[in-house]
Amino acid sequence: GENVEQHPSTLSVQEGDSAVIKCTYSDSASNYFPWYKQELGKRPQLIIDIRSNVGEKKDQRIAVTLNKTAKHFSLHITETQPEDSAVYFCAASHGSWGKLQFGAGTQVVVTP
Amino acid sequence: DAGVTQSPTHLIKTRGQQVTLRCSPKSGHDTVSWYQQALGQGPQFIFQYYEEEERQRGNFPDRFSGHQFPNYSSELNVNALLLGDSALYLCASSPGTANEKLFFGSGTQLSVL
Repeated sequence: GENVEQHPSTLSVQEGDSAVIKCTYSDSASNYFPWYKQELGKRPQLIIDIRSNVGEKKDQRIAVTLNKTAKHFSLHITETQPEDSAVYFCAASHGSWGKLQFGAGTQVVVTP
Repeated sequence: DAGVTQSPTHLIKTRGQQVTLRCSPKSGHDTVSWYQQALGQGPQFIFQYYEEEERQRGNFPDRFSGHQFPNYSSELNVNALLLGDSALYLCASSPGTANEKLFFGSGTQLSVL
């Protein structure tokens, strides 16, 4: 089955700097890659997603890149703000009924 | 729009007991998935329901069962509880069968003593 590895497990950045989180997946059939943000005690919230027919997608300060050949995808957050502090999860799935396989998460701490 | 609603928010049970968790999907969504999130880990897929049938299942034992009702709401049942079942149980809904744009509820925190 699908296996998703996520790095780093923790990431500390100064406010205004950029943050990058990387994930690798094992199943070459995976074609959908969402990123979720989970604040302490709250529900995971979808922040951006990408399909395998697209190499990059941006939404304001957030971008995701996908390299199908290497089977890895990354989340980029620019101009980080304290409210970006949270745990970020990457995930991968394929096809209908495709279950989401999540990475272990990255704790991002943005210090003022 | 209330989003995904889960009940109860917290639950304490003892080993061997049975538990039922409930979920109402986001308006307009007809597919419901359940995930287990242990402390400090990513959510793990339990199963998915569409048109009142279990469509896909993760690597969970038969002690975990579910149901979807005609109004798209869903229940997760866990029998013979083990200490290791202690976790946050998340319900997620989505429109259609493509399993994209999952909208998560806030979860039920289950503690097994």
